[in-house]
Amino acid sequence: NAGVTQTPKFRVLKTGQSMTLLCAQDMNHEYMYWYRQDPGMGLRLIHYSVGEGTTAKGEVPDGYNVSRLKKQNFLLGLESAAPSQTSVYFCASSQGLEQFFGPGTRLTVL
Amino acid sequence: ILNVEQSPQSLHVQEGDSTNFTCSFPSSNFYALHWYRWETAKSPEALFVMTLNGDEKKKGRISATLNTKEGYSYLYIKGSQPEDSATYLCAFRAGTASKLTFGTGTRLQVTL
Repeated sequence: NAGVTQTPKFRVLKTGQSMTLLCAQDMNHEYMYWYRQDPGMGLRLIHYSVGEGTTAKGEVPDGYNVSRLKKQNFLLGLESAAPSQTSVYFCASSQGLEQFFGPGTRLTVL
Repeated sequence: ILNVEQSPQSLHVQEGDSTNFTCSFPSSNFYALHWYRWETAKSPEALFVMTLNGDEKKKGRISATLNTKEGYSYLYIKGSQPEDSATYLCAFRAGTASKLTFGTGTRLQVTL
């Protein structure tokens, strides 16, 4: 089992560009999450999904969109990147209490 | 917005020292408290999930206690080793929601 994987690992964008981060899990988990991690802020929830075809806003959803067309994939989109979105993005999945995290994507917006 | 606080923010100990840190969380609507270990450039790794008041969990030299009535959990590391150097995160789960609210972490550095 690969667990939770994230693509890409690193990315540099210019302000205004768009991109999609892909999260995939092979554990058949219902729940999936996108977090961002910034210095001194801990992990903050952007969006989450409680099942295929469903999404919900987390603590900091503005500037991001998500889709869960397939159970195993959870996509995070930035339509018009801003420097404030420079961060490390973590995806996680869960079925019961425990959340399993991916390795993270480091995004820099210039 | 739920308030989950961890203290201290960072800690520097010597090999062999025992140490502990605190996570405080809302005492109402408690469902679970999670502890994660997070090494630089890696993903957070689950240590404990605690659900009952008075719970004590142990994994090797690391243990945790939980007090849901007063809203705090302690993480203890006995005989710290350099490989224990990491950020330790706690996360609070309210009600039956699947979402976690994370604290900002305690960064532990263990030197020889």
